[in-house]
Amino acid sequence: SQTIHQWPATLVQPVGSPLSLECTVEGTSNPNLYWYRQAAGRGLQLLFYSVGIGQISSEVPQNLSASRPQDRQFILSSKKLLLSDSGFYLCAWSALAGYTQYFGPGTRLTVL
Amino acid sequence: RKEVEQDPGPFNVPEGATVAFNCTYSNSASQSFFWYRQDCRKEPKLLMSVYSSGNEDGRFTAQLNRASQYISLLIRDSKLSDSATYLCVVAPGNKLVFGAGTILRVKS
Repeated sequence: SQTIHQWPATLVQPVGSPLSLECTVEGTSNPNLYWYRQAAGRGLQLLFYSVGIGQISSEVPQNLSASRPQDRQFILSSKKLLLSDSGFYLCAWSALAGYTQYFGPGTRLTVL
Repeated sequence: RKEVEQDPGPFNVPEGATVAFNCTYSNSASQSFFWYRQDCRKEPKLLMSVYSSGNEDGRFTAQLNRASQYISLLIRDSKLSDSATYLCVVAPGNKLVFGAGTILRVKS
């Protein structure tokens, strides 16, 4: 069966510091991968999605970037965090675009 | 106008009650529809897909009305464990668009 991992689970970072969040999927090949952010009390905002290694589509202009160095690895990064980057970051995978997505446990990021 | 709109609630219901949520979507080209459930501070989890003819999974029934562009979720015999946020999800293309969710609180 497929599983999706994210780490760290919780992170507290100062404004201006860098960020690297990692997501890995097991039990499937060539998944579509997604990064979402959920601000407190808000809906899910799609940040990036990837249909293959090295292929990244950005949904929202911001100071974040994503990379997919391996088939089942998806990384979210920032060079300098802003206060507004605080939120719950969720990675998801799907077998096909536009079909059911399965989420990892998420990373709760607080920028102080 | 938001792509997917839901009443945020909260819906406060007693155990055993029947409760219904509606959701409207703006893109008439949407092809796939889902309900997800999200517990407090947890990731969303798929509750059920929604099919054109309507579908049922135990106490949960989902309906789709393409002409009016709305989706509904009916929960019968509510349990305390049903307390969560229910997310309406629509796929207008190769991505999913999530509603902000409806909060359900089931009280004993």
